Amino acid sequence: SQELEQSPQSLIVQEGKNLTINCTSSKTLYGLYWYKQKYGEGLIFLMMLQKGGEEKSHEKITAKLDEKKQQSSLHITASQPSHAGIYLCGAVFTGGGNKLTFGTGTQLKVEL
Amino acid sequence: DAMVIQNPRYQVTQFGKPVTLSCSQTLNHNVMYWYQQKSSQAPKLLFHYYDKDFNNEADTPDNFQSRRPNTSFCFLDIRSPGLGDAAMYLCATSRDPGTDTQYFGPGTRLTVL
Repeated sequence: SQELEQSPQSLIVQEGKNLTINCTSSKTLYGLYWYKQKYGEGLIFLMMLQKGGEEKSHEKITAKLDEKKQQSSLHITASQPSHAGIYLCGAVFTGGGNKLTFGTGTQLKVEL
Repeated sequence: DAMVIQNPRYQVTQFGKPVTLSCSQTLNHNVMYWYQQKSSQAPKLLFHYYDKDFNNEADTPDNFQSRRPNTSFCFLDIRSPGLGDAAMYLCATSRDPGTDTQYFGPGTRLTVL
């Protein structure tokens, strides 16, 4: 089974709508990262969360890490076509060494 | 702007013909990583260099090698590419290992004929 599960796998929203992507870990998270990837391109770093209960925002994207540090959510407010892409969560696990493990991603499409 | 650069962006090789992918960085980071990402899958770490120290993942095939001649450059060598090695290869850097954020290059798409 996957150490990091993302849901949903894919999402289609109308422009202007809000959406949430979830990332659930089977282990305690030491650090949780959100990246965005456009098709055929590299990963763009969005945000990093480390403390339980932490919340960070950048423009219209907000990421939260729950108190138990096993789940994170990424919320986009008033989605725009520029938000389309694949969102990947990545994690460094407590006691898991320094390796960054990725979830399988959530593909977001924003319709006009 | 400080960045991670990968060349070429697209590489076509023949089955069994050695190929080298290149990564350079202007961030002056200590750690450089190579990931393999197959279609619709998560990136998978192949290995990383922490300064000159090479760290191989246990499940990385021997067919994959890497060189880091200096801080700025890191190469991925595939000695005898098979059809299953067709993938996006991503280079990333971080200041230090652990929880330091990794910054990625644009990737090289490898096609094996």
